[in-house]
Amino acid sequence: DAGVIQSPRHEVTEMGQEVTLRCKPISGHNSLFWYRQTMMRGLELLIYFNNNVPIDDSGMPEDRFSAKMPNASFSTLKIQPSEPRDSAVYFCASKTGGSSGANVLTFGAGSRLTVL
Amino acid sequence: GNSVTQMEGPVTLSEEAFLTINCTYTATGYPSLFWYVQYPGEGLQLLLKATKADDKGSNKGFEATYRKETTSFHLEKGSVQVSDSAVYFCALGGDDKIIFGKGTRLHILP
Repeated sequence: DAGVIQSPRHEVTEMGQEVTLRCKPISGHNSLFWYRQTMMRGLELLIYFNNNVPIDDSGMPEDRFSAKMPNASFSTLKIQPSEPRDSAVYFCASKTGGSSGANVLTFGAGSRLTVL
Repeated sequence: GNSVTQMEGPVTLSEEAFLTINCTYTATGYPSLFWYVQYPGEGLQLLLKATKADDKGSNKGFEATYRKETTSFHLEKGSVQVSDSAVYFCALGGDDKIIFGKGTRLHILP
């Protein structure tokens, strides 16, 4: 199993540009999570999906952020327009779903975004 | 709502020292508890877990016991190594979401 795959690993862009981060969860996992990690705020949950349906997007900072999961094997996190304060490492993670909290979350390696 | 509080870092220890990183939680119901570790430049990975009260999770010499009476899940290791230098996250799983603490950075000096 290749694990959770994220792309790009690094992205440097200018303020105002659109950024799209991509994630392929582990096959068979039906819950997918997007997190953001910064030194100031630590690890923040942005949004999560169960069976491709967004369940809780209360962590999405503002309307500039959007996330989609068109099928069980692909999700995107889009920032438009990007701002310097969006600079962070963005992690995607997946697990088997349902109400059991014992299922283990598997993280991707992260996408480091720098907005100049 | 559910929450996790862990000791702030950084924690700096000499090799072979005893390690404790404190973690307490607030939760309704009967959550599962986890410790995740993040090495530089990598994503978080599961270190150990416990799914019910009095369970002890263990891995790579690390241990943590699920204490319902004190709502705690402290991480311990008897003799740390330089390779244990990383950021450690306590986490709580209930319903669908996993909630993480802010992380504790650990530095081990040779």
